[in-house]
Amino acid sequence: DIVMTQSPATLSVSPGERATLSCRASQSVNSNLAWYQQKPGQAPRLLIYGASTRATGVPARFSGSGSGTEFTLTISSLQSEDFAIYYCLQYNNWPPGYTFGQGTKLEIK
Amino acid sequence: QVQLVESGGGVVQPGGSLRLSCAASGYSFSGQGLHWVRQAPGKGLEWVAFIHYDGSNQYQVDSVKGRFTVSKDNSKNTLYLQMNSLRVEDTAVYYCVKHFGTGQNWFDSWGQGTLVIVSS
Repeated sequence: DIVMTQSPATLSVSPGERATLSCRASQSVNSNLAWYQQKPGQAPRLLIYGASTRATGVPARFSGSGSGTEFTLTISSLQSEDFAIYYCLQYNNWPPGYTFGQGTKLEIK
Repeated sequence: QVQLVESGGGVVQPGGSLRLSCAASGYSFSGQGLHWVRQAPGKGLEWVAFIHYDGSNQYQVDSVKGRFTVSKDNSKNTLYLQMNSLRVEDTAVYYCVKHFGTGQNWFDSWGQGTLVIVSS
């Protein structure tokens, strides 16, 4: 099974600064990686798919990069509404399964 | 606009059964597959099950195989998850999630979830 490891577990950043979140796969997932944002009490929201394509309505300050085993989600200038938990998802070995990372909590510094 | 509304959660004893429903609207229900994804309290996300757009194929995570069955009624635009032999570790919010498209295998729209608590 593919294991997805996100780092760091918690990231403290000030509003207006840049945030860089990492996701590593235990084997290549090509570009079959998505990023989701989840706020407390809400369902996850799709941000990025195909490692670097923003979903409809996602602000341009969110960008994704990487391929193979190393991926990055960058938020260029943090807004108050960006503080949340971010999950990566690999869908390279679908079917039969998917794997999420354990999440990175982005908190206000 | 895609809407997914889950229902059917509640408290059940270990070994019991529960059926979750997900009412869909705003897109061609019969044209896309659907997933169930769960999240234990304070924990991360776990994919649980998938059903193909026409019900012809289903997949489940190993931990629920033989206990959970996913089905869909295209005439009612509704997805179901029949959960039997429930265990304490099945306690979670269960989300209904739309598959983006054929060959585009990420999760698209999510419902708000329904909470299942397995406890004696």
